[in-house]
Amino acid sequence: GESVGLHLPTLSVQEGDNSIINCAYSNSASDYFIWYKQESGKGPQFIIDIRSNMDKRQGQRVTVLLNKTVKHLSLQIAATQPGDSAVYFCAENSGGSNYKLTFGKGTLLTVNP
Amino acid sequence: NAGVTQTPKFQVLKTGQSMTLQCAQDMNHEYMSWYRQDPGMGLRLIHYSVGAGITDQGEVPNGYNVSRSTTEDFPLRLLSAAPSQTSVYFCASSYSRGIETQYFGPGTRLLVL
Repeated sequence: GESVGLHLPTLSVQEGDNSIINCAYSNSASDYFIWYKQESGKGPQFIIDIRSNMDKRQGQRVTVLLNKTVKHLSLQIAATQPGDSAVYFCAENSGGSNYKLTFGKGTLLTVNP
Repeated sequence: NAGVTQTPKFQVLKTGQSMTLQCAQDMNHEYMSWYRQDPGMGLRLIHYSVGAGITDQGEVPNGYNVSRSTTEDFPLRLLSAAPSQTSVYFCASSYSRGIETQYFGPGTRLLVL
């Protein structure tokens, strides 16, 4: 079946560096994508979202890029801080659904001081 | 606001036992959902509700029942627990009618022996 996946299961960066977390999706009908951050023992926390009519969206220290041609999504974190250490998930609205999300498996980001 | 609350935090069941995982939100959100998270995997949607009296199945609904008698509460029932239902369960709610900007609860860790 179609699913959302991640290229890298773990990512280790130095404090102050920029981080890039990647995600591949295969359902071409999906048109809404979300990045979540999950800290140990907590529920996922919304970071940023993007619709398919955009290819880039920026938030505070985060940028999401969407490449529909190759079905690829990325999350860029600027000046990574120790508090950014967490598991990051991408999610897509399953085939364009307004009510169902399909999550990727997650990438563990570790920030070294 | 307390946000999304879940009880209990942790539960151990024997195979065949039944139980209800509680979820409540005080933000007057229409959309609520239940996910399960297994090790090394992203969240998978079990059931969701777009308002009181309205529920529908997600990706992995078998073995679970839900009801939505009020806007605030969305309990998840396991009628006959199985070891395959050992997981961490997250409830979420959204002010929109769908999946946008969901707020997740802290989770319930369930162990079925």
